[in-house]
Amino acid sequence: DAMVIQNPRYQVTQFGKPVTLSCSQTLNHNVMYWYQQKSSQAPKLLFHYYDKDFNNEADTPDNFQSRRPNTSFCFLDIRSPGLGDAAMYLCATSREEAGVSGYTFGSGTRLTVV
Amino acid sequence: AQTVTQSQPEMSVQEAETVTLSCTYDTSESDYYLFWYKQPPSRQMILVIRQEAYKQQNATENRFSVNFQKAAKSFSLKISDSQLGDAAMYFCAYSGGSNYKLTFGKGTLLTVNP
Repeated sequence: DAMVIQNPRYQVTQFGKPVTLSCSQTLNHNVMYWYQQKSSQAPKLLFHYYDKDFNNEADTPDNFQSRRPNTSFCFLDIRSPGLGDAAMYLCATSREEAGVSGYTFGSGTRLTVV
Repeated sequence: AQTVTQSQPEMSVQEAETVTLSCTYDTSESDYYLFWYKQPPSRQMILVIRQEAYKQQNATENRFSVNFQKAAKSFSLKISDSQLGDAAMYFCAYSGGSNYKLTFGKGTLLTVNP
């Protein structure tokens, strides 16, 4: 089945140690998104790729970076994780007209910072 | 900027009963889409139902239906014959105009009591 896969499901990292989360899709959607979701809060968009074009949200900290080497894969890099970066990170994809079908989400990666 | 407001942090319903979750939004766009997403304890977001703003008819998907009041900017979700599997966090979301990004409300945690 076509889907969005996030690895790993759970990630524990040390304070200040770089960490990379991955997302892959078999839907051939041209837009990929990274959301941060803290407990009992709405998902917050960090950035998205429209094809190869990177679009950063204005309030996304510089500590967060992303790479999309091809249509299928997208990575979230946290250069120096702090305790406040502990959260669920959700990857989502859409065709450009998100209103037609909405997003397809992965299962998320829960990041713990120790 | 568009905003989505869910005024009910938590709701509960008896199994087989009906429950309505509220959502209001603010936008200056005339063309937009509205969504309800379900996030079960497994954490993968699943699209429940969507509504195109230009359609006056309320969307329905089996036991799920919406009450879309465009003038009031209200978009509530009704779940009929509630089942234990309906227990989840429900997010209302908006996508407007040429902007394919989703803006989420803070969510409503629905508990279904047997």
